[in-house]
Amino acid sequence: DIQMTQSPSTLSASVGDRVTITCRASQSVSTWVAWYQQKPGKAPKLLIYMASSLESGVPSRFSGSGSETEFTLSISSLQPDDFGTYYCQQYVKHWTFGQGTKVEIK
Amino acid sequence: QVQLVESGGGVVQPGTSLRLSCAASGFTFSSYGMHWVRQAPGKGLEWVALIWYDASNTYYADSVKGRFTISRDNSKNMLYLQMNSLRADDTALYYCAKTPVASNSYADFWGQGTLVTVSS
Repeated sequence: DIQMTQSPSTLSASVGDRVTITCRASQSVSTWVAWYQQKPGKAPKLLIYMASSLESGVPSRFSGSGSETEFTLSISSLQPDDFGTYYCQQYVKHWTFGQGTKVEIK
Repeated sequence: QVQLVESGGGVVQPGTSLRLSCAASGFTFSSYGMHWVRQAPGKGLEWVALIWYDASNTYYADSVKGRFTISRDNSKNMLYLQMNSLRADDTALYYCAKTPVASNSYADFWGQGTLVTVSS
């Protein structure tokens, strides 16, 4: 099975900061990676697919990059509404999620 | 607009069965692959099962293989998860999720989930 390892597990940043979350796959997944944001009590929301494609309606401050085994999700200027937990996901073979990164606003 | 509404959750004893349902609307249900994903209280997301648009292929996580069965009724726009031999570690919020293709892909829409609690 393909494992997805995210880091950090939590991060605390200030409004306006640039934030980067990393996800590493245990084997190559090409660019078959998506990123989701989940807020407490809510379903996950798609942010990025195909490693770097921005889902319609998602603010442009979100971006994704990477291929093969190394992927990043970046938020160029953190906003108050960006709190929550972020998950990476591979979908080359079924699905595997990373363990999540909880983002807190200082 | 796309809507996915799960139902069927509840409190059950270990070893018993439960069937979850997901009612789909706002899109051509028969054209898309569908997944079940679960989230234990305070934990991360765990993929459970996938079914292709025409039910020709199904796939399961090792943790549920042989106990859970995913199915769909395209005439009723319904997705199901039959869960047998339930265990305490199956306790979770269960989401259904839609992919934007006929087989496997990422999830572009999620339901709000139905809670399953397995406890004696």
